[in-house]
Amino acid sequence: GENVEQHPSTLSVQEGDSAVIKCTYSDSASNYFPWYKQELGKGPQLIIDIRSNVGEKKDQRIAVTLNKTAKHFSLHITETQPEDSAVYFCAASDPGGFKTIFGAGTRLFVKA
Amino acid sequence: EAGVVQSPRYKIIEKKQPVAFWCNPISGHNTLYWYLQNLGQGPELLIRYENEEAVDDSQLPKDRFSAERLKGVDSTLKIQPAELGDSAVYLCASSLVPSGEQYFGPGTRLTVT
Repeated sequence: GENVEQHPSTLSVQEGDSAVIKCTYSDSASNYFPWYKQELGKGPQLIIDIRSNVGEKKDQRIAVTLNKTAKHFSLHITETQPEDSAVYFCAASDPGGFKTIFGAGTRLFVKA
Repeated sequence: EAGVVQSPRYKIIEKKQPVAFWCNPISGHNTLYWYLQNLGQGPELLIRYENEEAVDDSQLPKDRFSAERLKGVDSTLKIQPAELGDSAVYLCASSLVPSGEQYFGPGTRLTVT
């Protein structure tokens, strides 16, 4: 079945540095790739997403890139701030939205 | 606009007892999802509704789990009887359309002792 692998599981950066989280997926039919941020005691919050007809999308300090040939996509956070500390999940979804598979998550620590 | 509402936020029960979780999706969202999130892992789909119809319940352990979505709005997820391994966070999410963005509620943290 569909599988999404996410790396690294833990990432620690200094405030102001960049953070990169990478995901690979197995189902070539996947065409929607959202990223979620989950803070302690809260549900996942959608922060950015990308569909397969584009290779890159940016929203202020966060950006996502997609390489459909290699079946991998990445989240880039620039100028990290302590409030960026959270668990980040990538996900891949089939065209009909029938199944969304989540990665195992990356715990990001931003040190002040 | 109110987000996805879930209750209770926390629940502690003894094994073999029943438990129920309630979800109110974002107004107008026809698609509703129940996910299971174990500690340190990503959410895993239990069941997906399109209006009041359960269109994907392949991952729902039907011997002890049941769900309903009356009138295509609120939904309830039930476990009877609960087992120790059911301890997890149960998340509800909704989307406007099946292929659209999913919005999650805060979850219910279940502890089975």
